[in-house]
Amino acid sequence: AAGVIQSPRHLIKEKRETATLKCYPIPRHDTVYWYQQGPGQDPQFLISFYEKMQSDKGSIPDRFSAQQFSDYHSELNMSSLELGDSALYFCASSLDSGGYTQYFGPGTRLTVL
Amino acid sequence: DAKTTQPPSMDCAEGRAANLPCNHSTISGNEYVYWYRQIHSQGPQYIIHGLKNNETNEMASLIITEDRKSSTLILPHATLRDTAVYYCIVRVAFPLVFGKGTRLSVIA
Repeated sequence: AAGVIQSPRHLIKEKRETATLKCYPIPRHDTVYWYQQGPGQDPQFLISFYEKMQSDKGSIPDRFSAQQFSDYHSELNMSSLELGDSALYFCASSLDSGGYTQYFGPGTRLTVL
Repeated sequence: DAKTTQPPSMDCAEGRAANLPCNHSTISGNEYVYWYRQIHSQGPQYIIHGLKNNETNEMASLIITEDRKSSTLILPHATLRDTAVYYCIVRVAFPLVFGKGTRLSVIA
């Protein structure tokens, strides 16, 4: 079965640079969620989109922005990167209209030097 | 959202049943109990969820007490590949809020 696809899987950036992470949800899933997991920490919710509109917002820094496109894929844009942004970034998708199961992608490991 | 309490770690012998408890004494009537697990640095994986009744699927069974204040996830025949952090999450709907979870170590 098709799963959530994230790209790139690994990314290395310098401080103050920008990064763009991409997420391709499971086909027909209309809701996308972004989570951040720092070293030794539990995943923390950042932001979500339903039908291309922001549906919920968590602890996402102002330096980060995200959007969902017409094909339902989503991008997380991160600017002025800081050392503390080094983390695993997970995207998850669900069928909001009737599903109660959220499926996660393999994650993007971002390292900021 | 209801707060959950899980033991920080547990061990289980390979081939035996793993019983992972979760306390959610402040759960409200419309909150579901979800279980996810995360195998080292992989994306969290859905296991099972329930509202009131016990549930079973190909991965596990979920036993919810009658007062819904606690639940137990049962992996009937644990294997080494079940070694992971298991999260019990109580929510009305998504997004998920992850707590500390239980680190389950399956031992050969």
